[in-house]
Amino acid sequence: EAGVTQFPSHSVIEKGQTVTLRCDPISGHDNLYWYRRVMGKEIKFLLHFVKESKQDESGMPNNRFLAERTGGTYSTLKVQPAELEDSGVYFCASSHSTGFITNTEAFFGQGTRLTVV
Amino acid sequence: QQPVQSPQAVILREGEDAVINCSSSKALYSVHWYRQKHGEAPVFLMILLKGGEQMRHEKISASFNEKKQQSSLYLTASQLSYSGTYFCGTEVNSGYALNFGKGTSLLVTP
Repeated sequence: EAGVTQFPSHSVIEKGQTVTLRCDPISGHDNLYWYRRVMGKEIKFLLHFVKESKQDESGMPNNRFLAERTGGTYSTLKVQPAELEDSGVYFCASSHSTGFITNTEAFFGQGTRLTVV
Repeated sequence: QQPVQSPQAVILREGEDAVINCSSSKALYSVHWYRQKHGEAPVFLMILLKGGEQMRHEKISASFNEKKQQSSLYLTASQLSYSGTYFCGTEVNSGYALNFGKGTSLLVTP
C-alpha cells in the first residue's frame, strides 16, 4: 500500500511568489490534514478535510493560504504571495474514519520543506 | 492549545531507559505518540484513549493520566533504532485534529 506522498520535497521561492504544495493521501482515507513545522517549534495544525469538505480550517495563518481537495482525493496548499515567515516544513497526514470512530492513527507524508528567500 | 513536552532532548547509552512527558492544559480525549527520524515522515507509535489501558509498542510503552491530562512515554532498554524526535499529539475530542508538542529529541549511543 502506498503511503502519503507529498510534492515537491523541497521548494525555494522568492518572497512574493506563489507556491503550490500537493499531498496524495492513502487511497480511501477520508481525513486529510495539513500541518506546518517552523524550525525549532512545534508541529502546528493548519487544516482538516473530510473528503472534499473543510472540517476545520482554524489553523490557517491568513488568507494568503488556500487549501483545496477536489473530489476528495489529493489536496493542494497554495501560498500566495509567500512571505519569509512561511518557511518551514509542511506535513500532510491522512487517516481512515469509520462512521464516528475517528481515533485511528494518522499516516504522515515526508513533508515539503519550503524556504522563502 | 499545544501540549508541552519534556525533556527537550535526551542522550542515552544503549540499554538505558528514558521517560518522555506530555502535558496539556485542556481536558483530553486521546494522546498520540509519533517518532520522526531525520528527513523521514513521522511514524505512528500508539494512541492512548481516555479511559483506556496503557499501551505498548515493542519495548516502548505509554500511559495516560486523565486527571492530570498527562501522558508519559517509557522507553525501556533503549536501542540505537530508538533515536529520533518523539512528538505527542493531543486530541480534545474524537475527530478533532491533533495538536502537537515541540518534540523531544532522543539520541541513543553505543
